[in-house]
Amino acid sequence: GAVVSQHPSRVICKSGTSVKIECRSLDFQATTMFWYRQFPKQSLMLMATSNEGSKATYEQGVEKDKFLINHASLTLSTLTVTSAHPEDSSFYICSARQGGKRETQYFGPGTRLLVL
Amino acid sequence: AQSVTQPDIHITVSEGASLELRCNYSYGATPYLFWYVQSPGQGLQLLLKYFSGDTLVQGIKGFEAEFKRSQSSFNLRKPSVHWSDAAEYFCAVGGSKETSGSRLTFGEGTQLTVNP
Repeated sequence: GAVVSQHPSRVICKSGTSVKIECRSLDFQATTMFWYRQFPKQSLMLMATSNEGSKATYEQGVEKDKFLINHASLTLSTLTVTSAHPEDSSFYICSARQGGKRETQYFGPGTRLLVL
Repeated sequence: AQSVTQPDIHITVSEGASLELRCNYSYGATPYLFWYVQSPGQGLQLLLKYFSGDTLVQGIKGFEAEFKRSQSSFNLRKPSVHWSDAAEYFCAVGGSKETSGSRLTFGEGTQLTVNP
Protein backbone atom coordinates (compact mmCIF):
# COMPACT_ATOMS: atom_id res chain seq x y z
CA GLY A 1 0.00 0.00 0.00
CA ALA A 2 0.84 3.72 -0.02
CA VAL A 3 2.10 3.93 -3.57
CA VAL A 4 2.83 7.27 -5.18
CA SER A 5 3.44 7.66 -8.89
CA GLN A 6 4.93 10.48 -10.92
CA HIS A 7 4.64 11.20 -14.59
CA PRO A 8 6.69 11.69 -16.63
CA SER A 9 9.78 10.03 -15.22
CA ARG A 10 12.04 11.98 -17.53
CA VAL A 11 11.47 15.03 -19.71
CA ILE A 12 13.67 17.07 -21.99
CA CYS A 13 12.39 20.41 -23.18
CA LYS A 14 13.54 23.58 -24.86
CA SER A 15 14.20 26.73 -22.91
CA GLY A 16 11.08 28.87 -22.62
CA THR A 17 8.57 26.05 -22.70
CA SER A 18 6.42 24.88 -19.79
CA VAL A 19 6.49 21.41 -18.30
CA LYS A 20 3.82 19.74 -16.20
CA ILE A 21 4.62 16.97 -13.74
CA GLU A 22 1.89 14.85 -12.20
CA CYS A 23 1.95 13.24 -8.79
CA ARG A 24 -0.68 10.65 -7.88
CA SER A 25 -1.39 8.68 -4.74
CA LEU A 26 -2.60 5.37 -6.11
CA ASP A 27 -4.14 3.61 -3.14
CA PHE A 28 -4.85 6.28 -0.56
CA GLN A 29 -6.23 9.78 -0.34
CA ALA A 30 -3.71 12.50 0.27
CA THR A 31 -4.99 15.80 1.56
CA THR A 32 -1.43 17.08 1.52
CA MET A 33 1.29 16.57 -1.04
CA PHE A 34 4.77 17.98 -1.06
CA TRP A 35 7.11 18.95 -3.88
CA TYR A 36 10.84 18.67 -3.49
CA ARG A 37 13.80 19.48 -5.64
CA GLN A 38 17.04 17.54 -5.46
CA PHE A 39 20.36 18.56 -6.96
CA PRO A 40 23.00 15.91 -7.73
CA LYS A 41 24.48 14.36 -4.60
CA GLN A 42 22.46 16.64 -2.35
CA SER A 43 19.55 16.27 -0.03
CA LEU A 44 15.94 17.11 -0.79
CA MET A 45 14.85 20.72 -0.70
CA LEU A 46 11.18 21.33 0.05
CA MET A 47 9.69 23.65 -2.55
CA ALA A 48 6.05 23.78 -1.54
CA THR A 49 3.25 22.14 0.36
CA SER A 50 0.13 21.42 -1.64
CA ASN A 51 -3.23 21.12 0.09
CA GLU A 52 -6.25 19.77 -1.70
CA GLY A 53 -8.67 22.53 -2.60
CA SER A 54 -6.51 25.42 -1.46
CA LYS A 55 -3.49 27.38 -2.53
CA ALA A 56 -0.07 25.88 -2.13
CA THR A 57 2.33 27.15 0.50
CA TYR A 58 5.72 27.93 -0.96
CA GLU A 59 9.04 27.86 0.83
CA GLN A 60 11.11 30.99 1.06
CA GLY A 61 12.95 31.66 -2.16
CA VAL A 62 10.69 29.54 -4.36
CA GLU A 63 8.88 31.57 -7.01
CA LYS A 64 5.19 30.69 -6.97
CA ASP A 65 4.66 32.11 -10.46
CA LYS A 66 7.49 29.98 -11.75
CA PHE A 67 6.42 26.75 -10.13
CA LEU A 68 2.65 26.48 -10.36
CA ILE A 69 1.05 23.88 -8.15
CA ASN A 70 -2.48 22.57 -8.45
CA HIS A 71 -4.01 20.04 -6.10
CA ALA A 72 -7.35 19.42 -7.74
CA SER A 73 -8.27 16.15 -6.05
CA LEU A 74 -7.33 13.96 -3.11
CA THR A 75 -5.13 11.82 -5.34
CA LEU A 76 -3.55 14.26 -7.79
CA SER A 77 -1.21 17.22 -7.54
CA THR A 78 0.57 18.82 -10.47
CA LEU A 79 3.69 20.96 -10.66
CA THR A 80 4.11 23.13 -13.72
CA VAL A 81 7.50 24.66 -14.39
CA THR A 82 6.67 27.72 -16.45
CA SER A 83 9.05 29.20 -19.01
CA ALA A 84 11.70 26.68 -18.07
CA HIS A 85 15.36 27.61 -18.25
CA PRO A 86 18.50 25.46 -18.02
CA GLU A 87 18.91 26.35 -14.34
CA ASP A 88 15.56 24.64 -13.68
CA SER A 89 17.07 21.32 -14.72
CA SER A 90 16.86 19.09 -11.70
CA PHE A 91 15.26 16.04 -10.13
CA TYR A 92 11.78 16.80 -8.85
CA ILE A 93 10.21 14.48 -6.30
CA CYS A 94 6.73 14.59 -4.85
CA SER A 95 5.43 12.97 -1.71
CA ALA A 96 1.96 12.35 -0.39
CA ARG A 97 1.08 12.43 3.26
CA GLN A 98 -0.90 9.54 4.59
CA GLY A 99 -2.61 11.24 7.44
CA GLY A 100 -4.33 10.25 10.57
CA LYS A 101 -2.72 9.66 13.89
CA ARG A 102 0.55 8.42 12.48
CA GLU A 103 1.57 10.67 9.62
CA THR A 104 3.98 9.42 7.05
CA GLN A 105 5.10 10.78 3.72
CA TYR A 106 5.40 8.39 0.80
CA PHE A 107 7.51 9.44 -2.12
CA GLY A 108 7.11 9.18 -5.85
CA PRO A 109 9.90 7.88 -8.09
CA GLY A 110 10.89 11.37 -9.20
CA THR A 111 11.01 13.27 -12.49
CA ARG A 112 14.26 14.17 -14.17
CA LEU A 113 13.90 17.50 -15.98
CA LEU A 114 16.50 18.64 -18.49
CA VAL A 115 16.05 22.05 -20.07
CA LEU A 116 18.15 22.68 -23.16
CA ALA B 1 13.69 24.99 14.20
CA GLN B 2 14.11 21.34 13.43
CA SER B 3 17.32 20.00 11.95
CA VAL B 4 18.99 16.73 11.13
CA THR B 5 22.68 15.89 10.98
CA GLN B 6 24.14 12.84 9.31
CA PRO B 7 27.82 13.05 10.22
CA ASP B 8 29.02 10.52 7.66
CA ILE B 9 28.84 11.62 4.04
CA HIS B 10 30.17 8.33 2.71
CA ILE B 11 30.59 4.90 4.30
CA THR B 12 32.13 1.80 2.76
CA VAL B 13 31.57 -1.66 4.20
CA SER B 14 32.24 -5.17 3.03
CA GLU B 15 29.37 -7.42 2.13
CA GLY B 16 28.29 -9.38 5.18
CA ALA B 17 29.65 -6.84 7.62
CA SER B 18 27.48 -4.95 10.07
CA LEU B 19 26.37 -1.41 9.40
CA GLU B 20 25.49 1.60 11.50
CA LEU B 21 24.50 4.95 9.99
CA ARG B 22 24.38 7.86 12.36
CA CYS B 23 21.63 10.44 12.64
CA ASN B 24 21.29 13.27 15.17
CA TYR B 25 18.29 15.55 15.29
CA SER B 26 17.13 18.77 16.86
CA TYR B 27 13.43 19.17 17.53
CA GLY B 28 11.45 21.09 20.09
CA ALA B 29 8.85 18.46 20.82
CA THR B 30 8.58 14.71 20.59
CA PRO B 31 9.80 14.00 17.07
CA TYR B 32 8.62 11.69 14.39
CA LEU B 33 11.75 10.10 12.91
CA PHE B 34 12.22 8.38 9.59
CA TRP B 35 14.85 6.63 7.54
CA TYR B 36 14.52 6.59 3.78
CA VAL B 37 16.69 4.94 1.13
CA GLN B 38 17.26 6.23 -2.38
CA SER B 39 18.77 4.30 -5.25
CA PRO B 40 20.33 6.30 -8.13
CA GLY B 41 17.71 8.10 -10.18
CA GLN B 42 14.89 6.88 -7.99
CA GLY B 43 12.55 8.29 -5.41
CA LEU B 44 12.77 7.61 -1.69
CA GLN B 45 11.61 4.40 -0.10
CA LEU B 46 10.59 4.36 3.54
CA LEU B 47 12.71 1.94 5.57
CA LEU B 48 11.25 2.55 9.01
CA LYS B 49 9.73 5.17 11.25
CA TYR B 50 9.42 6.05 14.92
CA PHE B 51 6.52 7.86 16.49
CA SER B 52 6.35 6.61 20.06
CA GLY B 53 6.59 3.51 22.20
CA ASP B 54 9.35 0.95 21.83
CA THR B 55 12.54 2.81 21.03
CA LEU B 56 13.90 -0.01 18.88
CA VAL B 57 12.00 -0.12 15.61
CA GLN B 58 12.20 -2.74 12.93
CA GLY B 59 11.98 -1.89 9.27
CA ILE B 60 12.07 -3.51 5.90
CA LYS B 61 15.07 -5.25 4.35
CA GLY B 62 16.43 -6.26 7.76
CA PHE B 63 17.07 -2.71 8.99
CA GLU B 64 16.42 -1.45 12.49
CA ALA B 65 16.90 1.86 14.26
CA GLU B 66 17.05 2.90 17.87
CA PHE B 67 15.68 6.16 19.23
CA LYS B 68 17.80 7.58 22.04
CA ARG B 69 16.23 10.71 23.42
CA SER B 70 19.17 11.49 25.72
CA GLN B 71 21.52 11.55 22.73
CA SER B 72 19.04 13.02 20.25
CA SER B 73 19.95 10.18 17.95
CA PHE B 74 18.19 7.74 15.68
CA ASN B 75 20.90 5.51 14.24
CA LEU B 76 20.16 2.96 11.56
CA ARG B 77 21.64 -0.52 11.81
CA LYS B 78 21.81 -3.74 9.88
CA PRO B 79 23.65 -6.84 11.12
CA SER B 80 24.78 -8.11 7.72
CA VAL B 81 24.92 -5.87 4.66
CA HIS B 82 24.06 -7.12 1.17
CA TRP B 83 25.47 -5.70 -2.06
CA SER B 84 21.96 -4.51 -2.96
CA ASP B 85 22.00 -2.20 0.07
CA ALA B 86 24.37 0.18 -1.71
CA ALA B 87 22.41 3.43 -1.97
CA GLU B 88 21.92 6.85 -0.41
CA TYR B 89 20.30 6.90 3.02
CA PHE B 90 18.40 9.85 4.42
CA CYS B 91 17.33 10.46 7.98
CA ALA B 92 14.38 12.82 8.45
CA VAL B 93 12.57 14.43 11.36
CA GLY B 94 9.06 15.76 11.42
CA GLY B 95 6.01 16.08 13.56
CA SER B 96 2.28 15.98 13.41
CA LYS B 97 0.30 18.25 11.18
CA GLU B 98 -0.39 20.39 14.23
CA THR B 99 3.22 20.76 15.32
CA SER B 100 5.09 21.03 12.04
CA GLY B 101 2.51 21.00 9.30
CA SER B 102 3.76 17.51 8.48
CA ARG B 103 6.96 19.04 7.17
CA LEU B 104 9.97 16.80 7.01
CA THR B 105 13.50 18.02 7.46
CA PHE B 106 16.11 15.81 5.87
CA GLY B 107 19.72 15.22 6.67
CA GLU B 108 22.33 15.56 3.96
CA GLY B 109 22.39 11.85 3.36
CA THR B 110 24.95 9.08 3.71
CA GLN B 111 26.18 7.29 0.63
CA LEU B 112 26.74 3.60 1.32
CA THR B 113 29.16 1.59 -0.79
CA VAL B 114 29.32 -2.16 -0.37
CA ASN B 115 32.48 -3.99 -1.37
CA PRO B 116 32.26 -7.63 -2.49
